[in-house]
Amino acid sequence: AQSVTQLGSHVSVSEGALVLLRCNYSSSVPPYLFWYVQYPNQGLQLLLKYTSAATLVKGINGFEAEFKKSETSFHLTKPSAHMSDAAEYFCAVSGYNDMRFGAGTRLTVKP
Amino acid sequence: EAGVAQSPRYKIIEKRQSVAFWCNPISGHATLYWYQQILGQGPKLLIQFQNNGVVDDSQLPKDRFSAERLKGVDSTLKIQPAKLEDSAVYLCASSPQFQLAVHGAGELFFGEGSRLTVL
Repeated sequence: AQSVTQLGSHVSVSEGALVLLRCNYSSSVPPYLFWYVQYPNQGLQLLLKYTSAATLVKGINGFEAEFKKSETSFHLTKPSAHMSDAAEYFCAVSGYNDMRFGAGTRLTVKP
Repeated sequence: EAGVAQSPRYKIIEKRQSVAFWCNPISGHATLYWYQQILGQGPKLLIQFQNNGVVDDSQLPKDRFSAERLKGVDSTLKIQPAKLEDSAVYLCASSPQFQLAVHGAGELFFGEGSRLTVL
């Protein structure tokens, strides 16, 4: 069965600092991987997705993620954090016909 | 294009009462999902429909939860009787593709969710 593990339930950074949110996956077949963001009292919004076309994936709002097969990782990064980035972030893996989510990482951005 | 619509946004009930949530997916999306998101956790799939048929309901607590999508469009999720541990956000999502991994990594489109508090 496919699954993802997010390392760190809470990450705090200063405005302008690098954002790094960690995700490791487990899959017996080449995975499709996703990062979603959830703002308070809202649903999940797609940030980016990996479809095997390129290992470095660029998403919305300046976020990007790199697929590393050797490390079974798909970490999310942003060079410079903005206050508006404060939210919950979920890594997900897509199976044949379902999608499984990690437990989430809450990002706090300090002024 | 209108997004996934859910109602009500918030519901407070007492344990042993019943509650129903409604979802209208994006027009033309064949696949509809109900997820349960407990505070501090990631969404957990409860049930998946392809048109009006159930694809996967293995994690649906069938003694108290039920869901239907009679005409292959909108869907209703019901809980009866509710327990304290059912307090969560119930997220509805839809996708145009059934086979997510086959048709180019299809994504899910989520509604804003229905927050249930059971007292």
